[in-house]
Amino acid sequence: DIVMTQTPLSSPVTLGQPASISCRSSQSLVHSDGNTYLSWLQQRPGQPPRLLIYKISNRFPGVPDRFSGSGAGTDFTLKISRVEVEDVGFYFCTQATQLPLTFGQGTKLEIK
Amino acid sequence: EVQLVESGGGLVQPGGSLRLSCEVSGFTFSNYWMSWVRQAPGKGLEWVANINHDGTDKYYVDSVKGRFTISRDSAMNSLHLQMNSLRAEDTAVYYCARRDTSGWKVFDYWGQGTLVTVSS
Repeated sequence: DIVMTQTPLSSPVTLGQPASISCRSSQSLVHSDGNTYLSWLQQRPGQPPRLLIYKISNRFPGVPDRFSGSGAGTDFTLKISRVEVEDVGFYFCTQATQLPLTFGQGTKLEIK
Repeated sequence: EVQLVESGGGLVQPGGSLRLSCEVSGFTFSNYWMSWVRQAPGKGLEWVANINHDGTDKYYVDSVKGRFTISRDSAMNSLHLQMNSLRAEDTAVYYCARRDTSGWKVFDYWGQGTLVTVSS
């Protein structure tokens, strides 16, 4: 199974400041079709997860442009350019390159 | 508007069974793969099972193989998860999620979840 490891597990951030979450996979996420199926989810308190980013760096429709994704191979990053109150919650990376589908442990974003 | 509404959760004793359902609306159900994903209390996400658009292909995480069965009813626009031989470690919120058709291989819409508690 592909293990997804996120750092940090907790990220206190000042409003208006940037935040960054890293995700590392135990093996390359490049699929045999040439695509890398790494996505990011947001889970606000008491809510189900919500898709933010797909295939490393593509924002899902409706996602603010302060969210961006980058990376390749086994190392990926989610960045929030200026954190807002509504961004509080957990963030999960997930891979769909190989079954079983797996998730990172989650990173808790909170306001300082 | 895409909607997924889970039901069927509750308290069950170890070794017992439960059947979860997910009623969908707002999209053509038969065009989409569907999944179940669970989240133990205060924990992260775990993929449980996938089913293809017509129910002929099914995939499971190893920990539920032989105990859980995913199925779908296109006439009723519903997804199901039959859970047998339940264990304490199956306690979780179970989410129904839609897989995209754009080739992104993502869960693009999620239900609100239904809580399953396995305890004596």
